Amino acid sequence: ETGVTQSPTHLIKTRGQQVTLRCSSQSGHNTVSWYQQALGQGPQFIFQYYREEENGRGNFPPRFSGLQFPNYSSELNVNALELDDSALYLCASRDQGAQYGYTFGSGTRLTVV
Amino acid sequence: GNSVTQMEGPVTLSEEAFLTINCTYTATGYPSLFWYVQYPGEGLQLLLKATKADDKGSNKGFEATYRKETTSFHLEKGSVQVSDSAVYFCALSLTGANNLFFGTGTRLTVIP
Repeated sequence: ETGVTQSPTHLIKTRGQQVTLRCSSQSGHNTVSWYQQALGQGPQFIFQYYREEENGRGNFPPRFSGLQFPNYSSELNVNALELDDSALYLCASRDQGAQYGYTFGSGTRLTVV
Repeated sequence: GNSVTQMEGPVTLSEEAFLTINCTYTATGYPSLFWYVQYPGEGLQLLLKATKADDKGSNKGFEATYRKETTSFHLEKGSVQVSDSAVYFCALSLTGANNLFFGTGTRLTVIP
């Protein structure tokens, strides 16, 4: 097992720009979820991918989109960045059969100025 | 809807003190309940879980009991250590759902 790795660890973007955050999951983890954690808040569910298809989405607008690749990596894309998008973005992966066994990455800290 | 409410922090305790962090939940179905811990600079780690009423989850000296009658899942530890300093999140998941609902987190600082 190699854990869940996210990149970059920190990022500063300007309002209106687009950003791509990356996640490398453990081998065999075919389910990946993304969460947004604003400062002082708990993580909020953005969406989940299973076998490269989105199969669940939280209350986030369409400018938040994702991709999952066969090599257990995934991306979170955010278009038209807003100041309120500043947060820690967490990736979590698991084997679909391990209902409770999410492994979280350390996150990407995004600052929008 | 589905939500988790946990006691606000920060909580500061002396080493070997007793810890309680309160957590209550609202759920539209029959949830599974979790405590996650986040150490500085690290991702969330599952600390313990309980999947049905009256179940007790335990790990590393921490315990929490799933109380359906009070919709609670309070975290306890009899004697905290400096190494327990972290942010603790209570969370729930509904059967068949894809996501976790988290509380806002409680920061614990243990001083020697």
